[in-house]
Amino acid sequence: GAGVSQSPRYKVAKRGQDVALRCDPISGHVSLFWYQQALGQGPEFLTYFQNEAQLDKSGLPSDRFFAERPEGSVSTLKIQRTQQEDSAVYLCASSLQGPDTQYFGPGTRLTVL
Amino acid sequence: AQSVTQLGSHVSVSEGALVLLRCNYSSSVPPYLFWYVQYPNQGLQLLLKYTSAATLVKGINGFEAEFKKSETSFHLTKPSAHMSDAAEYFCAVSDRAHETGGYNKLIFGAGTRLAVHP
Repeated sequence: GAGVSQSPRYKVAKRGQDVALRCDPISGHVSLFWYQQALGQGPEFLTYFQNEAQLDKSGLPSDRFFAERPEGSVSTLKIQRTQQEDSAVYLCASSLQGPDTQYFGPGTRLTVL
Repeated sequence: AQSVTQLGSHVSVSEGALVLLRCNYSSSVPPYLFWYVQYPNQGLQLLLKYTSAATLVKGINGFEAEFKKSETSFHLTKPSAHMSDAAEYFCAVSDRAHETGGYNKLIFGAGTRLAVHP
């Protein structure tokens, strides 16, 4: 079956622009995670959804970062007024339930100029 | 706070040689431990995980890892490297306490890039 998909795969933004990154989880997966992976580093947790509820947003680096999953399926990570330090690969993962194996999408590479 | 240290950002082996990728963790509670592999332009794929059953865990593609509490280690091994094993490998830890909250909040190491040469 289809895995986790993310769009766009690549995004170039000028500093100060707003961006929106989309994640389509595996159908039926209750749990959805966002991670940020800076160049040469491992992924870092940003936020967690159980269905439409955002239960953990402890990893969001600033109030410029906002995530939503309004119908408990597709999720969007929005970054307002992008800064150069926001340049990274943003990974989305989903799992059937919270404790289950997380399946990762290919990521969106964001470059802020 | 939990953390993961992967010793060696780059490891190079000959095809057919033993693969050993090192991972040490720090956790105040019994952890769950994971190894993921990342191929270029692809998402992370789970190789294996330790969740308190057998300390020797077997995964996909011939990889295995052994949980050693006394050494706080979870090293990944494969007896014989194949060219297709060339990729980046990430060790991750999850605080089991989060199981009560119903999810695994993964803390990743910085990764080890494995090169396999003929």
